[in-house]
Parts: sequence; structure tokens; C-alpha cells
Amino acid sequence: DTAVSQTPKYLVTQMGNDKSIKCEQNLGHDTMYWYKQDSKKFLKIMFSYNNKELIINETVPNRFSPKSPDKAHLNLHINSLELGDSAVYFCASSQASSGRPLAKNIQYFGAGTRLSVL
Amino acid sequence: DQQVKQNSPSLSVQEGRISILNCDYTNSMFDYFLWYKKYPAEGPTFLISISSIKDKNEDGRFTVFLNKSAKHLSLHIVPSQPGDSAVYFCAASAFNAGGTSYGKLTFGQGTILTVHP
Repeated sequence: DTAVSQTPKYLVTQMGNDKSIKCEQNLGHDTMYWYKQDSKKFLKIMFSYNNKELIINETVPNRFSPKSPDKAHLNLHINSLELGDSAVYFCASSQASSGRPLAKNIQYFGAGTRLSVL
Repeated sequence: DQQVKQNSPSLSVQEGRISILNCDYTNSMFDYFLWYKKYPAEGPTFLISISSIKDKNEDGRFTVFLNKSAKHLSLHIVPSQPGDSAVYFCAASAFNAGGTSYGKLTFGQGTILTVHP
């Protein structure tokens, strides 16, 4: 039973389109993240939500909009897709608990969504 | 500006020998470091971590060493096994930093480890 699942696994689309990537975790965690792995292979954080509240928002174009309907889901919507958006997007989750700062919590990752913008 | 760097894109090791993966960082605010392992078509999985108050942490075949003065950490795998072949990512976080860095992991670009039978 997959702990952090992303759909779709692959996404091929044309420039200018709008697309969404969904993420769900069944670990009972209260914090979820979106990362982008670019062509240079660096994994860079984009957003993080804790209990449905945005806590990390890196310098990301406002064409990217995360939505967290509940603690178990964090979806990523991308408007007006551009060639430079082509990358692998990873969702992750972790659990913040008392006495264990969020920054030290282990993050569990999904398998990634490979987005190709043509 | 990459605050975490893994300068070796790849490493090839014979089965049974030691694998040493290196990572350098520039941000002196980082106080917690992690290693993740990634197989193709899968997400990264947590391997081992170390707090800045320690200089070594060991878990089975895996040991992480931290040299704060040099802003350098390394992962030792002994003995290496073919199943260890994967991409290894170093990551760092700043616990005491407030605001948007709380909970944020900064990753290196990964090192591809190949262990030959």
C-alpha cells in the first residue's frame, strides 16, 4: 500500500495548457511538500503545507498554485505551462510532533511526476 | 546559489569495498543533515541523518561523518553491496531558522553510486 502517491506518473502537454498533479498520503502526516527536480538534478522545495496552512512558499511563479483540501492531500495546479516547467515533481510528507521540530522530521516522498511541456 | 553540493556526479565501487560519498555545504545555519537514497522511477527514501551536535552517526553498514569546521559531511557504506547502487542525495535543514525555512530541506544534486559484483 503506497504511503505517498502521486498522479499522474507521466504528463505530456502543450505550452499554454493548464494541468494539475495530485498527491495523497496515507501516513497520517500533517505536513506535505512539493519539490521540483530540474535538469541539473537538484531537488528544490516549492511549497509546504502544515495542517492545510501554507508554511513554505519559495520563489515560484504564481502560475503554480498548491491546494490542500485536507491534511492527506496536496495538489499542484499549474497555469499557462511553459517549456521551462518540464521537470520531475515530487510530493513528500512528514509528521511534526511535540518535542521534535518540523525541520528534523523525516520526509517521505512519492515516486514523482515527470512533466514534459512541448 | 547552491548551498549544498555533491561534487562527484558518480562513483563506482567493487562489491565488499567501502563507498564514500561526499557533500559540502555553505550555509552555517544548517544544523541537521540527512542522506536519501533514490532508485530509478522511485522517490527518494530516507537513509540516515546527523545533528550538528554530533560528528558521527552509525546505522548498520551506513555511517555519516560531519566536519562542521570544513562544512563537509560524508556517507560511508561498508561493505558495499550491488543493491546499494542508486542515486544518493545529501540534504540539510536549519532547525532554528524562523519563517519559511522551517521544515525546508536543501538538497544536493546527487551522486550515482554503482556497486559492481
